[in-house]
Amino acid sequence: QVQLQESGPGLVRPSQTLSLTCSVSGAPISRGGFYWSWVRQRPGKGLEWIAYIYYSGNTDSNPSLQSRVFVSVDTSRNQFSLNLTSVTAADTAVYYCARGPPYRELDFWGQGTLVTVSS
Amino acid sequence: EIVMTQSPATLSVSPGDRATLSCRASQTVSTNLAWYQQKLGQPPRLLIYATSARATGVPVRFSGAGSGTEFTLTISSLQSEDFAVYYCQQYHKWPQYTFGQGTRLEIK
Repeated sequence: QVQLQESGPGLVRPSQTLSLTCSVSGAPISRGGFYWSWVRQRPGKGLEWIAYIYYSGNTDSNPSLQSRVFVSVDTSRNQFSLNLTSVTAADTAVYYCARGPPYRELDFWGQGTLVTVSS
Repeated sequence: EIVMTQSPATLSVSPGDRATLSCRASQTVSTNLAWYQQKLGQPPRLLIYATSARATGVPVRFSGAGSGTEFTLTISSLQSEDFAVYYCQQYHKWPQYTFGQGTRLEIK
């Protein structure tokens, strides 16, 4: 059974960069066949897809965030990461990492990590 | 962007009764639609994919239907553990996933 776990700072200052890592167990990212995504949920709000990365490094992101999003993958550590630059209070959210087959739904999710943007 | 609209925002149903949740897409998504259940403090859990296929371990009381722009999730006989928030998601424009705003299913 695949498991995902997010990690990173719970507090980020405005205008700084939010950096999170998702550690994957039970499935090697390097095997391919799945896309690894970031999704966020702002307080009391719905879900917003941020970006994905494939083991090869191929990525895509939500146009509304594209200019501030950078995702990377480290297959040797079986991890992938999210960097979101120039954050504001509007980026305060629970951030989830998730897995999905190509052209399909997100079938496994991490537990999520709350990131608060505040000075 | 495909906008997903769920109704109602909140649904009050008694245990043992049937609940029907609706999801509408702003343009056709064919059958590329999933449903998730989210309980407080937990991540979303995949329930239904491809409109009507149950994910592994999902009880048979959960069923999905629809195509194009209109979809429903039906829970045939509500159990106490079913009271949660439910989200629909389209992946027709993969990977530009979009989600509905959610329906809160509460005990009547």
